[in-house]
Amino acid sequence: GESVGLHLPTLSVQEGDNSIINCAYSNSASDYFIWYKQESGKGPQFIIDIRSNMDKRQGQRVTVLLNKTVKHLSLQIAATQPGDSAVYFCAENIGDSGYSTLTFGKGTMLLVSP
Amino acid sequence: NAGVTQTPKFQVLKTGQSMTLQCAQDMNHEYMSWYRQDPGMGLRLIHYSVGAGITDQGEVPNGYNVSRSTTEDFPLRLLSAAPSQTSVYFCASSYSIRGGTEAFFGQGTRLTVV
Repeated sequence: GESVGLHLPTLSVQEGDNSIINCAYSNSASDYFIWYKQESGKGPQFIIDIRSNMDKRQGQRVTVLLNKTVKHLSLQIAATQPGDSAVYFCAENIGDSGYSTLTFGKGTMLLVSP
Repeated sequence: NAGVTQTPKFQVLKTGQSMTLQCAQDMNHEYMSWYRQDPGMGLRLIHYSVGAGITDQGEVPNGYNVSRSTTEDFPLRLLSAAPSQTSVYFCASSYSIRGGTEAFFGQGTRLTVV
């Protein structure tokens, strides 16, 4: 079958570089955002989240930046490793409306060369 | 602790056949959901459940049925398979209605309808 990764924007980096993956979200009422990582043949895995009352949140080697003015979200991965190669999805959610309004972006493929 | 388990991993159906995709979680999560993922697209919500006995439609519910008789299980039924239902299906569970930090995905079922 066709891979999920085909036709996706692709970011190619060298091992050790910093990676920045961008996401434009659609709904100005969204107040909760999540980044997921999906490796080939696996289900999405939670990476980091951020609420709209914040503009930056840091995790282990990852940072999410939120710019509500232009409805833009980014995921920064420091010292990228070959194991970071995957498809990355952002998702947006509105308040307490739950699953019915969790909307996923189309994804970006990250390729890390050793 | 297995997390979210989906069966089968692969399935080929003929147009018009019916089948059930199984999903089970052992984390005592209240919230479960089914998504489909098509090439170059993000995940789209099919159906979700906020607890045993309660289900609701997502973005793309047509052609699918669900039920939630127990907290652990959330099967997805295809009543009469169509080629347009060729996709990768993911089940997810969460103890939060937001489907964020606490969301866990299964490994996926790759379905081909011929």
